[in-house]
Amino acid sequence: AQSVTQLGSHVSVSEGALVLLRCNYSSSVPPYLFWYVQYPNQGLQLLLKYTTGATLVKGINGFEAEFKKSETSFHLTKPSAHMSDAAEYFCAVTWYNNNDMRFGAGTRLTVKP
Amino acid sequence: DAEITQSPRHKITETGRQVTLACHQTWNHNNMFWYRQDLGHGLRLIHYSYGVQDTNKGEVSDGYSVSRSNTEDLPLTLESAASSQTSVYFCASSETGGAAETQYFGPGTRLLVL
Repeated sequence: AQSVTQLGSHVSVSEGALVLLRCNYSSSVPPYLFWYVQYPNQGLQLLLKYTTGATLVKGINGFEAEFKKSETSFHLTKPSAHMSDAAEYFCAVTWYNNNDMRFGAGTRLTVKP
Repeated sequence: DAEITQSPRHKITETGRQVTLACHQTWNHNNMFWYRQDLGHGLRLIHYSYGVQDTNKGEVSDGYSVSRSNTEDLPLTLESAASSQTSVYFCASSETGGAAETQYFGPGTRLLVL
């Protein structure tokens, strides 16, 4: 069955430091992969997604993620953290002809001044 | 601006009562979804709809039902609320199309079942 694992329920970085949030997926068919961000008391907002084509995907707010099929990974990175990046981040997977999106458990990012 | 709204934003109910959560979108999207969010589980799909009169069960559909009588609305009904259904509920929508479509989420409804 298709699933998503996010390594680390909490990640803390200093302002200006690299952000790395890990996501691994399990899928027997080519996946579509998403990163969503959730700010406190709000719904989820799309950061970026991979469907086909270029494996390095750039999103909003300076985030990017790289689809690595051999590692079944889709890690999210940002070169320099900002205080406004503090939020919960969810990795999700769907696959062709199937809208049953599976989410990871989420990673809460804290940014220290 | 187009948007997706949910009501109520907060609800307290008692075990055994029927509860309906509303979801309304103004994007004219064909696809609509209901998720629940619980600590340690991320979001899990309850029901979804690809259009008027279409409904489908998701991963955790037991105890929930939906109906789609128009494009804009997908109400979620808890037939007989249970404490295990205490959660935050999110509605989402996407344009007609496949699984690669972006889903747009509402602000959520926080439900407490006592």
